[in-house]
Amino acid sequence: GAVVSQHPSWVICKSGTSVKIECRSLDFQATTMFWYRQFPKQSLMLMATSNEGSKATYEQGVEKDKFLINHASLTLSTLTVTSAHPEDSSFYICSATKDVTTFEAFFGQGTRLTVV
Amino acid sequence: GDSVTQMEGPVTLSEEAFLTINCTYTATGYPSLFWYVQYPGEGLQLLLKATKADDKGSNKGFEATYRKETTSFHLEKGSVQVSDSAVYFCALSDPETSYDKVIFGPGTSLSVIP
Repeated sequence: GAVVSQHPSWVICKSGTSVKIECRSLDFQATTMFWYRQFPKQSLMLMATSNEGSKATYEQGVEKDKFLINHASLTLSTLTVTSAHPEDSSFYICSATKDVTTFEAFFGQGTRLTVV
Repeated sequence: GDSVTQMEGPVTLSEEAFLTINCTYTATGYPSLFWYVQYPGEGLQLLLKATKADDKGSNKGFEATYRKETTSFHLEKGSVQVSDSAVYFCALSDPETSYDKVIFGPGTSLSVIP
């Protein structure tokens, strides 16, 4: 199988602080990982593509200085929400593709961020 | 650009009813198509997939057939159970334009009542 693990599963932080979310591929190497954001009762919005050893590619409208992505190894990508505000409260999900022929993505369990 | 359209929910069915969730897509190349399911409070799980025209993906009694002529990938199940209550996302990955990005539809919430 292919397992992608996110940590933490949920986090509550104070407004103005920064929060780091980790995404790990446990049994395969992923040169590319993806970060999504999901608002309540809505679909997943792709935020950025995380590339191992290089800068992330952000989707239009996503602030790269706000959402810092680091992909330091083939099994780990991190998303840091800097100077978090209540409007950043959301469900963040990462994914990685193992099979480059079918492009099936494997998803982490998600991180519920609440900024108070 | 690539996109996925799904029928609007929420959908409420009685147990053992027949389920259809419509999905159509727009893509430049020849995408792979997926249905993902999200149970309450959980992350996404792949339900089934199809990688080329006329392929049928199936899992847990759910089926979907890749119809290139109608650019559709409708999800069906003959007899739903309460445990099928979840949000279902149709999705595609188009190597022509988006490499291995997954583009999601808006999701369809399904509630199955006893």
